[in-house]
Amino acid sequence: GDSVTQMEGPVTLSEEAFLTINCTYTATGYPSLFWYVQYPGEGLQLLLKATKADDKGSNKGFEATYRKETTSFHLEKGSVQVSDSAVYFCALSPPGDYKLSFGAGTTVTVRA
Amino acid sequence: DTAVSQTPKYLVTQMGNDKSIKCEQNLGHDTMYWYKQDSKKFLKIMFSYNNKELIINETVPNRFSPKSPDKAHLNLHINSLELGDSAVYFCASSPVAGGAYEQYFGPGTRLTVT
Repeated sequence: GDSVTQMEGPVTLSEEAFLTINCTYTATGYPSLFWYVQYPGEGLQLLLKATKADDKGSNKGFEATYRKETTSFHLEKGSVQVSDSAVYFCALSPPGDYKLSFGAGTTVTVRA
Repeated sequence: DTAVSQTPKYLVTQMGNDKSIKCEQNLGHDTMYWYKQDSKKFLKIMFSYNNKELIINETVPNRFSPKSPDKAHLNLHINSLELGDSAVYFCASSPVAGGAYEQYFGPGTRLTVT
């Protein structure tokens, strides 16, 4: 079945460091791919998405590129801030499907 | 204005009790969802309704029963609560049915069964 695998955390970084969270997927066809973020004590919110191969999603300094050849959608940010501390979820939805399947989440802590 | 709201925010109850969690969205969306997030942050879809019609019904115990009185509301009733039901339950909505659309999540209800 369709699934998402993302790097295990927790990840701890210093402010202004480079962040990358790996995400790979297994799916038939061309699923839509997402990164959601969950700040402490809150619900999830969409960070960025891409719906076809080679699309790049970007938001708040974060970027991820839909790579069909490597079935990946890695999240990157060049310079993190303390306010980026959160749990990050990679997710996919197969074409025409109602469901969103989430990875296990990666907890990121940024220290001042 | 809260887009997706859930009540209560915290729920502590004993094994064997029956409880309900309520969800409302004021975004005018057609589709609503219930997710369960366990202690390791793993998130799993439970149910989804589109215009009051059940469209996703994952393998969950039949002690869990969703109800959608109208497309702005989706409630979750749980009978005979068990320790393993302790989790954070999230309601979400999207403009139309389809996983490709952004989902808007509520703040969650932390259920603790003792």
